[in-house]
Amino acid sequence: GNSVTQMEGPVTLSEEAFLTINCTYTATGYPSLFWYVQYPGEGLQLLLKATKADDKGSNKGFEATYRKETTSFHLEKGSVQVSDSAVYFCALSGSKGAQKLVFGQGTRLTINP
Amino acid sequence: SQTIHQWPATLVQPVGSPLSLECTVEGTSNPNLYWYRQAAGRGLQLLFYSIGIDQISSEVPQNLSASRPQDRQFILSSKKLLLSDSGFYLCAWSDGENYGYTFGSGTRLTVV
Repeated sequence: GNSVTQMEGPVTLSEEAFLTINCTYTATGYPSLFWYVQYPGEGLQLLLKATKADDKGSNKGFEATYRKETTSFHLEKGSVQVSDSAVYFCALSGSKGAQKLVFGQGTRLTINP
Repeated sequence: SQTIHQWPATLVQPVGSPLSLECTVEGTSNPNLYWYRQAAGRGLQLLFYSIGIDQISSEVPQNLSASRPQDRQFILSSKKLLLSDSGFYLCAWSDGENYGYTFGSGTRLTVV
């Protein structure tokens, strides 16, 4: 079945550091890939998405490229801010119709000033 | 625009009591609807999903049930809560295309 494996956390960085959170997946067919962010005490918000190979999703300075050859969708940001502190989830959607999202286990990111 | 409402935001219930969490979507028709649970410090587990009225699929055996009495209403229920039902419950909807979900703000359930 479909699965997502995310970089183990927690991750702690200083402000303005470079961020990478690794995500790899296993899926049949051609899934869509997503990054969601969860701020403390809140629900999940879609951060960015990519629906086909070589697509790059971007939002709020975050980027991720859909790499079919390495089955990866790593999240990157060049200069993190304290406000980026949150839990980040990588996810995939296998197909249309029921479109069940499969999530990774989440990575807690803390940015220190 | 589409919005999703989920309530209550927090709930403390004794073991053995019933549960009803409600989720409604506005601004769209025939959405796919989902219930997820997030246990403390863990990822998200899909509990139920629905692609239409009275069409409910359960992903994991458990003490909970779901119903969809109207097109844009999704209810999570239990007749008798267990301590292990504690967690953060999230409702979500999608349009059935590959554009991801929109999540509600969640309900934090503590069973005592």
